[in-house]
Amino acid sequence: SYVLIQSPSVSVAPGQTARVTCGGNNIGTMSVHWYQQKPGLAPVLVVYDNSDRPSGIPERFSGSNSGNTATLTISRVEAGDEADYFCQVWHGDSEHVIFGGGTKLTVL
Amino acid sequence: EVHLVESGGGLVKPGESLILSCAASGFIFTSYTMNWVRQAPGKGLEWVASISGGYRDLYYADSLKGRFTISRDDGSDLLYLRMDSLRAEDTAVYYCARVFGTARDYWGQGTLVTVSS
Repeated sequence: SYVLIQSPSVSVAPGQTARVTCGGNNIGTMSVHWYQQKPGLAPVLVVYDNSDRPSGIPERFSGSNSGNTATLTISRVEAGDEADYFCQVWHGDSEHVIFGGGTKLTVL
Repeated sequence: EVHLVESGGGLVKPGESLILSCAASGFIFTSYTMNWVRQAPGKGLEWVASISGGYRDLYYADSLKGRFTISRDDGSDLLYLRMDSLRAEDTAVYYCARVFGTARDYWGQGTLVTVSS
């Protein structure tokens, strides 16, 4: 079965840039989506189709996808960005929705 | 405005059944594929099942196929998840979410299912 690999944690100082990666075999051929989840709340879609942002999501959130790695980039990190971030794809061969294990972003 | 509200969670014993509901509003329900995603305490997100409008397509996570059944009532804008033979490892918050392309663009607040004797 298809697997998405995320680093368990990333730490960044306020104002710096955070990069959260999602690894998968040939993930660059898929559409990758990213969700932010704060404690006790439901996930929120922050990037879809690799690099598009839903309305209301700040431009500080951006995404890229190539080869075997997709990346969520958060520029000018704020304290309010501290959360868990999950990547997700639709794996057509298995007709399954796949989530990465999640990355906890800590703002120092 | 899109709203998804889950209900039906609670405490059940191993082997028992439970039906979750998700009431949708603010969009044309029948036009969207809907799904259930769960999250065990302290763990990541796990896709459970998806159903397209009009029941054209049904998809299940391999590990849950046979015990869980997803369904919908397009006339009442309701999504359901019937869970049979529940196990301790099914303990989780269950979210319903709307599918947009291959993303999940709107999520409910979740309903907690606890399986314990």
